[in-house]
Amino acid sequence: DTEVTQTPKHLVMGMTNKKSLKCEQHMGHRAMYWYKQKAKKPPELMFVYSYEKLSINESVPSRFSPECPNSSLLNLHLHALQPEDSALYLCASSQRPGSGSGNTIYFGEGSWLTVV
Amino acid sequence: AQSVTQPDIHITVSEGASLELRCNYSYGATPYLFWYVQSPGQGLQLLLKYFSGDTLVQGIKGFEAEFKRSQSSFNLRKPSVHWSDAAEYFCAVGAGGSQGNLIFGKGTKLSVKP
Repeated sequence: DTEVTQTPKHLVMGMTNKKSLKCEQHMGHRAMYWYKQKAKKPPELMFVYSYEKLSINESVPSRFSPECPNSSLLNLHLHALQPEDSALYLCASSQRPGSGSGNTIYFGEGSWLTVV
Repeated sequence: AQSVTQPDIHITVSEGASLELRCNYSYGATPYLFWYVQSPGQGLQLLLKYFSGDTLVQGIKGFEAEFKRSQSSFNLRKPSVHWSDAAEYFCAVGAGGSQGNLIFGKGTKLSVKP
């Protein structure tokens, strides 16, 4: 089973709202990721959590705040977003950090975010 | 610097015809290569991967890919395309290291005509 579950599937929020995206995996993976994908583009890495600690922040604006409560869960807290933040947000996980040495990154179905 | 090139932005094939999607990579060491597929409105699904060993790898849904080091290529093939294969296909290389990320190509959109 290589399932990464994301909720909600769709989210519409105003620019003054606070909302969260949630991600869960039960594969015992110790690395979890947030990616952002705009239409007709490949995914772009936002954050990497390695053994529940934030290890990579790809210069993401502070209006995006990740959280890893435990090894199975990953949240992305959203506050004061802009319309240009509308995108598909993908969660992913892998057995260990990185994409080398035979490590495979598995993606969830994504959360579609619209900021109005 | 590592990079992945997918030369074809959009390909249209007839149902039942064969398919080859091209992928070229630039990477200094042994590459870890992946093909992902993304159906409209969906996340990315892993089709297949190459880490080492046999250069012809089999994946899900009848896809295969061949690693050719001399050509820095990892082309995806399917002998007979089905309408449900219409999707966006991304080739990616693992950047390696403990914090290495996936480097994606820009993707190839596959359309299937009846």
